[in-house]
Amino acid sequence: DTAVSQTPKYLVTQMGNDKSIKCEQNLGHDTMYWYKQDSKKFLKIMFSYNNKELIINETVPNRFSPKSPDKAHLNLHINSLELGDSAVYFCASRSDRGKNGYTFGSGTRLTVV
Amino acid sequence: QQQVKQSPQSLIVQKGGISIINCAYENTAFDYFPWYQQFPGKGPALLIAIRPDVSEKKEGRFTISFNKSAKQFSLHIMDSQPGDSATYFCAASVSDNDMRFGAGTRLTVKP
Repeated sequence: DTAVSQTPKYLVTQMGNDKSIKCEQNLGHDTMYWYKQDSKKFLKIMFSYNNKELIINETVPNRFSPKSPDKAHLNLHINSLELGDSAVYFCASRSDRGKNGYTFGSGTRLTVV
Repeated sequence: QQQVKQSPQSLIVQKGGISIINCAYENTAFDYFPWYQQFPGKGPALLIAIRPDVSEKKEGRFTISFNKSAKQFSLHIMDSQPGDSATYFCAASVSDNDMRFGAGTRLTVKP
């Protein structure tokens, strides 16, 4: 299946822990994103990578560090997790050729307890 | 600050009715205006999109109306069905990059 896939789908962890969320796309897209969706459903961009290079870095605590080993992968590592980090995190991708919007993954629900 | 303002926050429509969701933006550099549909437990999925060189785009029961001078655009869902019940997001971007989303509208279509 061609898609944007994220793992894990659910993540429950204690405050202070470090965790990673992985994202892979097999669509041949050039740009990948991380979005955070809060409890009110608001979608906020966090990071954007184009061909492994950081393009957008919104005002996000530096506890969040994205890593793109190749243009098909964009992982998100979070250090010293806080209660306020609880949200659904979405990975998305888009192609530089043609303008067809973003393809989103199905999300990772992070709960910090 | 939110660059795309969306209303209403929630909407209840009877089956067969018309659902209308409105969005407004400030940044005149925006040149791509998509709408996304999100079902519970899923990621947003592209529904329909428009560019500012046209005032309307229709795909099946879904129509985007675009008013460049007012910096507003809206989604109309004709003959709304219970299966359309979802959260709808408008968005805007410059050249399909750095997409900014509205706050979302939870649509419920009653049978």
